[in-house]
Amino acid sequence: GAGVSQSPSNKVTEKGKDVELRCDPISGHTALYWYRQSLGQGLEFLIYFQGNSAPDKSGLPSDRFSAERTGGSVSTLTIQRTQQEDSAVYLCASSLVAGGKNEQYFGPGTRLTVT
Amino acid sequence: GENVEQHPSTLSVQEGDSAVIKCTYSDSASNYFPWYKQELGKRPQLIIDIRSNVGEKKDQRIAVTLNKTAKHFSLHITETQPEDSAVYFCAARGLGQNFVFGPGTRLSVLP
Repeated sequence: GAGVSQSPSNKVTEKGKDVELRCDPISGHTALYWYRQSLGQGLEFLIYFQGNSAPDKSGLPSDRFSAERTGGSVSTLTIQRTQQEDSAVYLCASSLVAGGKNEQYFGPGTRLTVT
Repeated sequence: GENVEQHPSTLSVQEGDSAVIKCTYSDSASNYFPWYKQELGKRPQLIIDIRSNVGEKKDQRIAVTLNKTAKHFSLHITETQPEDSAVYFCAARGLGQNFVFGPGTRLSVLP
């Protein structure tokens, strides 16, 4: 079946503008994660959604970052008033949290460049 | 919260030799430990994982060992090949279902 998809694949924006990044998880996966990966760095956790539970927002770096997951499926990560330090690849992952199945499947990422 | 350390940050081996990457974690409640391989410009791909009720798991040339008492786990790659060159990330997942990743190891397999 289809894997995790993300759009856009690349986004160039001017400093101060808002951006929205979209993630379509694998159908039936109840868990969805957002990560940020700066050039040559590891994966920085941002936010985690699990079913209808309140999301774990502990990784969001500032109040300019927010995320929603509508209907338990598609998720949107919004960055307001973008700054140059927001430039990174934003990765989304989903997993089936049931019966011990924990494997995360990653999307291709959105490369965000703030000029 | 959970903290994951990973060593070494870079590793170069000759083709055919073995490579070992080690990770430590801080939260004794963590119960699932995956390893990901990320090639340049590509998404991370799961290569092997281990749960806290198992001490070792092997899949062809790749193996992972877990020492719960010491809170460390290691990735072992035998008979390395040039296509094994990539960045490898370990991760730990705790009771909160959140994953914490190590900083990564850049493995270079020299022909």
